[in-house]
Amino acid sequence: ILNVEQSPQSLHVQEGDSTNFTCSFPSSNFYALHWYRWETAKSPEALFVMTLNGDEKKKGRISATLNTKEGYSYLYIKGSQPEDSATYLCASLRAGNMLTFGGGTRLMVKP
Amino acid sequence: DAGVIQSPRHEVTEMGQEVTLRCKPISGHDYLFWYRQTMMRGLELLIYFNNNVPIDDSGMPEDRFSAKMPNASFSTLKIQPSEPRDSAVYFCASSWLGGNTIYFGEGSWLTVV
Repeated sequence: ILNVEQSPQSLHVQEGDSTNFTCSFPSSNFYALHWYRWETAKSPEALFVMTLNGDEKKKGRISATLNTKEGYSYLYIKGSQPEDSATYLCASLRAGNMLTFGGGTRLMVKP
Repeated sequence: DAGVIQSPRHEVTEMGQEVTLRCKPISGHDYLFWYRQTMMRGLELLIYFNNNVPIDDSGMPEDRFSAKMPNASFSTLKIQPSEPRDSAVYFCASSWLGGNTIYFGEGSWLTVV
């Protein structure tokens, strides 16, 4: 059973559209929230690691916010491009360096 | 740094055969993780090691699965006998105490027919 939930499961957008998706996680015993980008046949690539409530991080056109009190994080992509097509995974970090992953949001950007 | 190296990248095997997946973690990392990715269950942790010692294997699905880490630079995940429901992508990942990013290999794509 996954206790880190991501929505939507999949998303189709047009090139140039901005989009966002959600990760919810248990707020108790929280240590850190990770976002990974995973293209098929490649390694999941770390995007962000966030620890503080209210954290906001940005990498190019991608940004993420964190609310540890209510247990959610948003990932935003501004002006989506076809190369942004991938599965975006969030994971909650627990003691012992273990990550619990959500099911991922599969993003497809149409040219 | 070469990153986490997994082999084989792809394997197709017949039900009942033994499957061995291999992993070389990033040098200096003292944590090693084995994950399995399926459509139904997402990315789930099977087992992890710290300093070559298995710490938590509660995610290993059943006795057909076993994992070893004989030294700091090598780990195996074995399935014997394999079944079609074992078909998945198996990821190995490593990290170090004090770092909070886990680095993944490219995965081993297993198909059991």
